[in-house]
Amino acid sequence: NAGVTQTPKFRVLKTGQSMTLLCAQDMNHEYMYWYRQDPGMGLRLIHYSVGEGTTAKGEVPDGYNVSRLKKQNFLLGLESAAPSQTSVYFCASSPLGVVNQPQHFGDGTRLSIL
Amino acid sequence: RKEVEQDPGPFNVPEGATVAFNCTYSNSASQSFFWYRQDCRKEPKLLMSVYSSGNEDGRFTAQLNRASQYISLLIRDSKLSDSATYLCVVNYPSGGGADGLTFGKGTHLIIQP
Repeated sequence: NAGVTQTPKFRVLKTGQSMTLLCAQDMNHEYMYWYRQDPGMGLRLIHYSVGEGTTAKGEVPDGYNVSRLKKQNFLLGLESAAPSQTSVYFCASSPLGVVNQPQHFGDGTRLSIL
Repeated sequence: RKEVEQDPGPFNVPEGATVAFNCTYSNSASQSFFWYRQDCRKEPKLLMSVYSSGNEDGRFTAQLNRASQYISLLIRDSKLSDSATYLCVVNYPSGGGADGLTFGKGTHLIIQP
C-alpha cells in the first residue's frame, strides 16, 4: 500500500532553472496539498486542490504553480527557481468529509537551489 | 487570523516518565483536532485525533478544552522511541473547508536514557 508517493526525493537546481515535483496518491482522496517546511517556520501551505481539475492558493503560493489533471496526481512546478525556494516539500492528501479529515503525507522532496 | 501555538521545547524527559504538553488555538469554531508526530527529516504522521470527550491510545492521552481553546497530549511511561517533534493541528473553518487545517510549529521532545 503506497499511500502518498513523491518524486524526486532529492534535487539540486541552479537559480533560474525550472522543475516539477510529482505527487501521486492511491487512496482515492479528493483533496491534495503541497506544503513547504523550513526550520523554525513549520509547515506552510503552498497550493491545494479539492478535486480533479481544480486548484487554489494557500498561504505561500508565489513562485509556484500546480496542476491536477488526474485525481491521483498533484504536480508542483517551479518556473524559475530561486534560493529562497530551498526547502523540504511535502505533499499530502485527505478524503472528503463533513469536517476536515486528517491528512496523509508523502515522505518529502528535499530541494536545494544554488 | 489562524494561530496554533505550541511551546517549541525541547522537553528533556527521562525514560519512563510522564510528559504533557499543550497547544492553544484561536478560533472557537474549530471542529477538528489532531496530534501528529514528526521524526527528524521525515514526514509528519498522524498520531491521534482529539475528540471532545478526550481519548486514549495506549500510552497516549489527548484532551480538548473548548472553553480555554487548547488541546493537550499526555505520554505515559515514555520510551526512547517517543523522541520526536509533536505537531498540533487544528482546523479553521473558512467555508471552503479543504484548506482549513493549520499546523503548529511543533514541540520537540527528547527522551533520555
